[in-house]
Amino acid sequence: DAKTTQPNSMESNEEEPVHLPCNHSTISGTDYIHWYRQLPSQGPEYVIHGLTSNVNNRMASLAIAEDRKSSTLILHRATLRDAAVYYCILSSFSSGNQFYFGTGTSLTVIP
Amino acid sequence: NAGVTQTPKFRILKIGQSMTLQCAQDMNHNYMYWYRQDPGMGLKLIYYSVGAGITDKGEVPNGYNVSRSTTEDFPLRLELAAPSQTSVYFCASSYAWTNTGELFFGEGSRLTVL
Repeated sequence: DAKTTQPNSMESNEEEPVHLPCNHSTISGTDYIHWYRQLPSQGPEYVIHGLTSNVNNRMASLAIAEDRKSSTLILHRATLRDAAVYYCILSSFSSGNQFYFGTGTSLTVIP
Repeated sequence: NAGVTQTPKFRILKIGQSMTLQCAQDMNHNYMYWYRQDPGMGLKLIYYSVGAGITDKGEVPNGYNVSRSTTEDFPLRLELAAPSQTSVYFCASSYAWTNTGELFFGEGSRLTVL
């Protein structure tokens, strides 16, 4: 399974941008990069995904390094509701139809 | 839409008992998954299905069984409950393969085996 490395925890002040990093140095050319988040006592929810180009949606932006060995999830203005565990996941043809969740980054938003 | 519905939300089992966790989705998704999440850990894939009648093992299938007789339902069976199966179980579904398809998760079923 393709592995990702994320910091265990991060803090951000409310209404400030947050940059959540993810390293995936063994990524292959066909691996997609996905981000999910898990609010307390809930199931994970989809945030964003991409392959090579940067992606934007209503929730966040995904910036992918040119060599694709790292990516950054950007929350433009953190709110208290954004406090969650954020998972960076690679999906791979070699791993079939399987997502491998690591332990993610626990984001604390300070009022 | 109800999305992905899991029942029960909470259950306590004695060692050796059996039970079935139910999962239903109303989005006409072909792909369904079962994950478990131990305290402070990420999710681990138990089993998945790419359509009715087709299932396959994930990362941690031992001690579990699944079936997929309809598109909507994907029950997870624990045959002989063990304390190591104490966990929160999440069911998920997606329209397409995970590379391009968004996973929709249920709210989870918290199982304690004593």
